[in-house]
Amino acid sequence: GDSVTQMEGPVTLSEEAFLTINCTYTATGYPSLFWYVQYPGEGLQLLLKATKADDKGSNKGFEATYRKETTSFHLEKGSVQVSDSAVYFCALSAISSNTGKLIFGQGTTLQVKP
Amino acid sequence: GAVVSQHPSWVICKSGTSVKIECRSLDFQATTMFWYRQFPKQSLMLMATSNEGSKATYEQGVEKDKFLINHASLTLSTLTVTSAHPEDSSFYICSARVSNTGELFFGEGSRLTVL
Repeated sequence: GDSVTQMEGPVTLSEEAFLTINCTYTATGYPSLFWYVQYPGEGLQLLLKATKADDKGSNKGFEATYRKETTSFHLEKGSVQVSDSAVYFCALSAISSNTGKLIFGQGTTLQVKP
Repeated sequence: GAVVSQHPSWVICKSGTSVKIECRSLDFQATTMFWYRQFPKQSLMLMATSNEGSKATYEQGVEKDKFLINHASLTLSTLTVTSAHPEDSSFYICSARVSNTGELFFGEGSRLTVL
């Protein structure tokens, strides 16, 4: 079945460091791909998304490119801030599902130190 | 953005009792809501899809008689954990799908601890 695999955390970085959180997926066809963020004490929020191959999603300085050839959707940010500390989830929505059902990776905790 | 509210945010109960968790879309209508379960340091696992006015669709391996879902209105879905046991202790998260746009918004989650 469809699945999402993320790099294990926690990821600890200093402020202004470069961030990469790896995400790979297994799916039939071409799913839509998402990154969600969960700040402490809050619900999940959509960070960015891409719906077809080679699309790049971007928001708040974060970027991820839908790579069909490597079945990846790695999250990157050029310069992280302390306020980026959160748990990041990679997710996919199967092309066969038009209800919005999502399959999540296990989440990666990011800790940014001043 | 749109707001989804879950209540209670945390609950402690005795083994054998039932607990109800509410998921409300505060400023939009949601024909479809989803219930997830999250174990510590693990992914969100979809439990069921809740459709307004009809029976919920459960994922494989999820006991429908144990996790009762009711979606009686376009803004409210409830998850009732019946005869709760310690292994039901978990973080339960709902999401709601905006009826006219398909966007998804998540609640803050409800932490259940069964003693």
